Amino acid sequence: NAGVTQTPKFRILKIGQSMTLQCTQDMNHNYMYWYRQDPGMGLKLIYYSVGAGITDKGEVPNGYNVSRSTTEDFPLRLELAAPSQTSVYFCASSSRQGGYNEQFFGPGTRLTVL
Amino acid sequence: GQQVMQIPQYQHVQEGEDFTTYCNSSTTLSNIQWYKQRPGGHPVFLIQLVKSGEVKKQKRLTFQFGEAKKNSSLHITATQTTDVGTYFCAARHNNNDMRFGAGTRLTVKP
Repeated sequence: NAGVTQTPKFRILKIGQSMTLQCTQDMNHNYMYWYRQDPGMGLKLIYYSVGAGITDKGEVPNGYNVSRSTTEDFPLRLELAAPSQTSVYFCASSSRQGGYNEQFFGPGTRLTVL
Repeated sequence: GQQVMQIPQYQHVQEGEDFTTYCNSSTTLSNIQWYKQRPGGHPVFLIQLVKSGEVKKQKRLTFQFGEAKKNSSLHITATQTTDVGTYFCAARHNNNDMRFGAGTRLTVKP
């Protein structure tokens, strides 16, 4: 199993540009999550999904959108990039809701908005 | 939202010294998880604590959950250079809200 994979690894955007961060898991997990991690800080939940077709907002959803058309994929969309969105983005998955079962994290996407 | 406080923010130790990080909540927790993130890496699950007063050990690591289920600690005995990284707690509150602490960054001097 590859686990949780994320692409791209790195990206530099200009203010106002859009992009999609890809996340795929091959563990048949129902639950998937997107976090951002600012330098020296913990993880903040952006969006999560409890299954295909179902998504919900986390702690910091503004400026982002998600979709979950399949169990495997959970892309994160930035529509109008802003410098405040410079961060490392982690996707994670779990077989049950995150607090009841371990979350498996992808390697992360380092995004810089200039 | 419900926050979880983690202290200290940084800890620098000499190899062989012990290390402890603490996670505190103002409200009762359903459970708490601990993760380790190596520099430049992603968080990796270490353990989950569920019961009041629970203590679990993994080799040199000891995890405790407080009697009131409002705090937890991770203690490393005789640190090694391989212990370097940031240790996060992830606290699940009774309303299903799960929050990560800010982490404790551990550096170990050989």
